[in-house]
This record gives sequence, C-alpha cells and structure tokens, in this order.
Amino acid sequence: ILNVEQSPQSLHVQEGDSTNFTCSFPSSNFYALHWYRWETAKSPEALFVMTLNGDEKKKGRISATLNTKEGYSYLYIKGSQPEDSATYLCASFGDSWGKLQFGAGTQVVVTP
Amino acid sequence: DAGVIQSPRHEVTEMGQEVTLRCKPISGHNSLFWYRQTMMRGLELLIYFNNNVPIDDSGMPEDRFSAKMPNASFSTLKIQPSEPRDSAVYFCASRVLHEQFFGPGTRLTVL
Repeated sequence: ILNVEQSPQSLHVQEGDSTNFTCSFPSSNFYALHWYRWETAKSPEALFVMTLNGDEKKKGRISATLNTKEGYSYLYIKGSQPEDSATYLCASFGDSWGKLQFGAGTQVVVTP
Repeated sequence: DAGVIQSPRHEVTEMGQEVTLRCKPISGHNSLFWYRQTMMRGLELLIYFNNNVPIDDSGMPEDRFSAKMPNASFSTLKIQPSEPRDSAVYFCASRVLHEQFFGPGTRLTVL
C-alpha cells in the first residue's frame, strides 16, 4: 500500500443498523492514524488519533481499531442514527514531521 | 481556546482581483496547513509550515498562489490574480504533536 485508501466509497445504512468500513495505509514508517468526521458545509472534526498496534478507541457509538503491522484500521458505528450521516476521513502520518495523507473518505448516509 | 480561526468565512470576488485568506492557529500549535476542497480533487494540501517556516509547498497550484506565516499566530494565503477555477473552500489547520484541528474554512467564489 503506497497511499491511504478507504472503502467503500459510500454506504447507505438503515437507522438502527450497525456498520463498519476500512482504511488502509502504508505500514512502513507508521507514526499515527487519524479519523475525522466531515459533515457537509462544515470542517473536518477530529474523532480519533491512534498510534499503537492493537489500539481501540471509542467515542459514544463510534469506535475504531488499528492494525499497524498489516496497515489497516476499521471504524465502527453501532446503532446508526441520521446524525451519523457524514463523510469519514482517515489520514496517516508517514513520519513525525510530515503531512497527513488523507484517504478519499467513506460517505455514510443513514436513512430513517 | 477558540480553535483555528479563519477569515473571511465567505469571499466573492471578480476574476483578476487579489484575494487574501487569513488564519490564526491554535495557540501553542507549531505546524500550520492550508488545504483546498474541490468537488474534483477532494481535500488537497497546498502548503504547510513548521515553526513558521514553509516546509512543503508542492501542492500550491501556480505562482498565483503564495502563503506566508510571519509569526506563530498568523498566516495568509494569497491568490493574485484570482481566476474562476480557484473557487473552492480553503481550510487552515494547525497541529501539535499528533493532534491536528481544522478551521471552519473560507468559501471563495471567483466570478
């Protein structure tokens, strides 16, 4: 993996259902992985910063896991609500001084 | 802390005019980033500063774009002359260690 990749590009979820999606990133020279939540017409909002292999973070109904050896992270939304509708971005620092490399995002639409 | 502050929030200008976007990073953050969001390219990094020094400007699209950071609490992104294809939302972000936070963005429309 040379770039940060997210899949799927978009998904539709029924209210109350749980869902998850993936971020893949270069596993060499890993430093940190970020998840952001980005609502339309707003700015990206930081959700999690993860640095250690096996890290699990949770914020309300949203949680994330990290596997630095194989270069992937999952984000989970439990019991999706319409307010969870947003684009979820992940980004990886390739080195401690560098820039965040962003994935293209997963757009989540939760329908009542 | 008020977070990253950007001004103006909206700017409408005519082609050929100079546009200056402003950013105040979070106090204590030593890195500052300028991004542009467009429908075609998504979120793209234009330039970033570390301790007020430009580190990577490879994302700046053309010589019409320039950015400065005269001190730790202020940065500008200037477009001169502006063109309709510069219309986008421009985000500033600041960072310390692992934490990076975005400003609210400036929506630029060039007619």
